[in-house]
Amino acid sequence: EVVMTQSPATLSVSPGERATLSCRASQTVSRNLAWYQQKPGQAPRLLIYSASTRATGIPARFSGSGSGTEFTLTISSLQSEDFAVYYCQQYNNWYTFGQGTKLEFK
Amino acid sequence: VQLVQSGAEVKKPGESLKISCKGSGYIFTNYWIGWVRQMPGKGLEWMGIIYPGDSDLRYSPSFQGHVTISVDKSISTAYLQWSSLRASDTAMYYCVRGSLDYWGQGTLVTV
Repeated sequence: EVVMTQSPATLSVSPGERATLSCRASQTVSRNLAWYQQKPGQAPRLLIYSASTRATGIPARFSGSGSGTEFTLTISSLQSEDFAVYYCQQYNNWYTFGQGTKLEFK
Repeated sequence: VQLVQSGAEVKKPGESLKISCKGSGYIFTNYWIGWVRQMPGKGLEWMGIIYPGDSDLRYSPSFQGHVTISVDKSISTAYLQWSSLRASDTAMYYCVRGSLDYWGQGTLVTV
C-alpha cells in the first residue's frame, strides 16, 4: 500500500499570507496526485489533479507542484474561506489519502 | 453533473443496510464510482470502486468481506451495503465519480 504523509498536521496562517502544505508518498506515484479541500459538514472538493492542474472553477491562488514522491499545495494569499482541512490523494497504485492538514486562522 | 445520496440512517448492531448514490447529468456507465468512508473527526478512507459499464469491482483490503458494492445501471445508481453492521461502521459515507471531480453529499450512518 502506498502511504501518504502530510505535513504539518496543523498550519496557522493569517489572511493574506502564503500557505505551503506538503505531501509525501512512500513510493513513487508519478504525477497521479490530487488535492482536496474539506470544510466542516461538507463533502471534499477537488482542487488539483495530476499534481498541478487546477480543477474547474478553482481560483488561481491555489497551485500544486511536485512529482514522484514529493508534492506541495500552495495557497498564495489566504482568504477567509480557505481555512479548512486539506487532503492529498494518490491514484497511481489504487487510492490512498493523506491524513490531512488543518489550515487554521492565526 | 450530480451524485445524490440517500438519507441518514440509524441502525442497530447486526442489522443490514443498503445506501445509494444516484448519478445524473452525465453518461453513468462511462465513469467508475468509488466509495469513501470518513469516521467521526477522522480522515478519508477509500473503500472500493465499481465500473457501471460492466460491474468490474475492486475493494480496499480493509473493507473486503465486510461491505458489498453494487450498481444498477438501468437507474444510474450505485450502492454500498452491509449485511451485519457494527458500531465501528458509524461514519459518513461518500460516493465519488472515478474522475474524482464530483462527490455525493454524503450519507451519515449511525450504528
